[in-house]
Amino acid sequence: NAGVTQTPKFRVLKTGQSMTLLCAQDMNHEYMYWYRQDPGMGLRLIHYSVGEGTTAKGEVPDGYNVSRLKKQNFLLGLESAAPSQTSVYFCASSPGQGGTQYFGPGTRLTVL
Amino acid sequence: AQSVTQLGSHVSVSEGALVLLRCNYSSSVPPYLFWYVQYPNQGLQLLLKYTSAATLVKGINGFEAEFKKSETSFHLTKPSAHMSDAAEYFCAVLRNTGFQKLVFGTGTRLLVSP
Repeated sequence: NAGVTQTPKFRVLKTGQSMTLLCAQDMNHEYMYWYRQDPGMGLRLIHYSVGEGTTAKGEVPDGYNVSRLKKQNFLLGLESAAPSQTSVYFCASSPGQGGTQYFGPGTRLTVL
Repeated sequence: AQSVTQLGSHVSVSEGALVLLRCNYSSSVPPYLFWYVQYPNQGLQLLLKYTSAATLVKGINGFEAEFKKSETSFHLTKPSAHMSDAAEYFCAVLRNTGFQKLVFGTGTRLLVSP
């Protein structure tokens, strides 16, 4: 039981490049989330999903897109990366709304 | 809207000393409150949560937190700090307007010296 895994762990992009971050969970959780963590700002919710095939915007969705084609996977895409998207990205999952969230180890993204 | 404020971005203690990390919440309804810990280069993991069953909540690794409605506080304590407690700690509240989302505080980094 691996819990929540994230790929890749580190990435450096140039401004304007695109990339996809992959999150996978093996706990059969319905809900999945993408957060970004910036110094002094805690974690902020980017997008979330309440089940396979559904996605919704969080607090800071601009510049990101997501997809949940399979229940166990939640993808976060950056179509045209900007330096302001330099951050640590965390994926999380939970069995239900309001339940304990389980976090992945994070992806450190730097946009030059 | 529900929110939390963590007082002190850094707290330093000596090994064996009391740990006190402060969190105040803002909520017009009984809140669900959480403390998460983030060890270096790792994701967050749940320390404990308050869901109105008991005001004193015990968590993992000897931590506990007390919900005080009169003070709108949910401070995290541990009687005796260990070196392994050095980490960043986040208080969070469950915002239940529409979809129930976790709203995190800005975090407090705990430094433990020998």
